[in-house]
Amino acid sequence: EDQVTQSPEALRLQEGESSSLNCSYTVSGLRGLFWYRQDPGKGPEFLFTLYSAGEEKEKERLKATLTKKESFLHITAPKPEDSATYLCAVQVSDYKLSFGAGTTVTVRA
Amino acid sequence: NAGVTQTPKFQVLKTGQSMTLQCAQDMNHNSMYWYRQDPGMGLRLIYYSASEGTTDKGEVPNGYNVSRLNKREFSLRLESAAPSQTSVYFCASSSKGAAYSNQPQHFGDGTRLSIL
Repeated sequence: EDQVTQSPEALRLQEGESSSLNCSYTVSGLRGLFWYRQDPGKGPEFLFTLYSAGEEKEKERLKATLTKKESFLHITAPKPEDSATYLCAVQVSDYKLSFGAGTTVTVRA
Repeated sequence: NAGVTQTPKFQVLKTGQSMTLQCAQDMNHNSMYWYRQDPGMGLRLIYYSASEGTTDKGEVPNGYNVSRLNKREFSLRLESAAPSQTSVYFCASSSKGAAYSNQPQHFGDGTRLSIL
C-alpha cells in the first residue's frame, strides 16, 4: 500500500534557526513528489516537484531534496512568514496523489 | 488571476440535507479533483475528472456524487449529509503533463462544511 509519512508533526523554531522536515514514502514506482505550503484557512500552495533521486529544488529559504525513500524540506534562516503547514504528496498513478498529514512550522521572532 | 474558485466558503447543514459544492477554474486545465481534509490526516481524494466528460472514484467516494459540467466547472454533491462528512473540502485542477507525471495540482481555498 502506498504510504506517505511526515515528521515531525509540529516544529517550533526561533527566527534564523535552520531545520529540516522529513517526508518518507513507500510507493511502487515514484512518478513525482510534491511539496506544498498551506496557510490557515487557505488551500495548499504548490512549492516544488521532484522526480528522481538526487534531485534538488530551491526557492528563497526553502530547499527540497529527494532520495529513493524520502524527501527533505530544508528551511534555512527561517522568518516568521515561513510559518505554515508543509504538505508532502507522491504521485501514485496518472491522476492520484497520496498526501502526508503535514508538518506545522511555527517561527518565532 | 482567480485560479480555482470554490463556493460557498462556509456551510452548516443538518443531517439528511443535501447540497452541492461548486468549483470553477480559469487556467484551462484538463483535470479537476475533489479532496477532503480532516485533522491529523492527509488530503484524501474523493473523485476526480481526468478530462471533460469523464469522472472517476478516488479513495473515499461513498456518500458523494460529482458532475463535470464543462471544462471549467466540477461540482460535488452530498445527497444526504451525515456528521461524518463534516470536513474541509478542496477542489484542485491540473493540466496533463509528461506521460508519467502530471503538472502540479492547484487548489482553491476550500469549503468548510459542518453537519449537525
